[in-house]
Amino acid sequence: GAGVSQSPRYKVAKRGQDVALRCDPISGHVSLFWYQQALGQGPEFLTYFQNEAQLDKSGLPSDRFFAERPEGSVSTLKIQRTQQEDSAVYLCASSGRTATNEKLFFGSGTQLSVL
Amino acid sequence: AQSVAQPEDQVNVAEGNPLTVKCTYSVSGNPYLFWYVQYPNRGLQFLLKYITGDNLVKGSYGFEAEFNKSQTSFHLKKPSALVSDSALYFCAVRPVTGTASKLTFGTGTRLQVTL
Repeated sequence: GAGVSQSPRYKVAKRGQDVALRCDPISGHVSLFWYQQALGQGPEFLTYFQNEAQLDKSGLPSDRFFAERPEGSVSTLKIQRTQQEDSAVYLCASSGRTATNEKLFFGSGTQLSVL
Repeated sequence: AQSVAQPEDQVNVAEGNPLTVKCTYSVSGNPYLFWYVQYPNRGLQFLLKYITGDNLVKGSYGFEAEFNKSQTSFHLKKPSALVSDSALYFCAVRPVTGTASKLTFGTGTRLQVTL
């Protein structure tokens, strides 16, 4: 596709359920990022991939959060045993290069609601 | 640690008037600075970036931003606002040196342009 695609668009989970959020970056983009955006806040960094390598996962809030990008394209963010505080919009972004000054292309996000 | 402050939750301006959305930053060393815009139910879209060189940066949709190193500011400006500019605006910073992943966003400023 022409842009970054995320699915599902909305996800409602019961507390304790596991969820998986998918990101399809722009074809050929090397860098992929996951951000968490709580209501009324700016996006906060979760993790960064360069191709299939996860180079930075310092933003993941707990060991319940896990991300992968096994073939260097599609990425999945998994949250185990969801908690109410996990409710947020999860944004995926990609960029064509690894340079720090590159702009990011964002998907529309997955809005996760944990009941 | 790097940080961004957007002191105004909301900015109101009449169509045709100039607008300014304020941003100040804190980072070790020199910064890369960005502005992104978020429309309802859409992902963040890149507006402009400051890397080096001319302190006045021009971006998409007639927006521009002025980098002021002494005041550590990167205010977003537009000479004549349009109703269609109404959206949520985020300032972001990352250091020139260091890992590619650490893009830090402000909390956002909602711009409301009225007729």
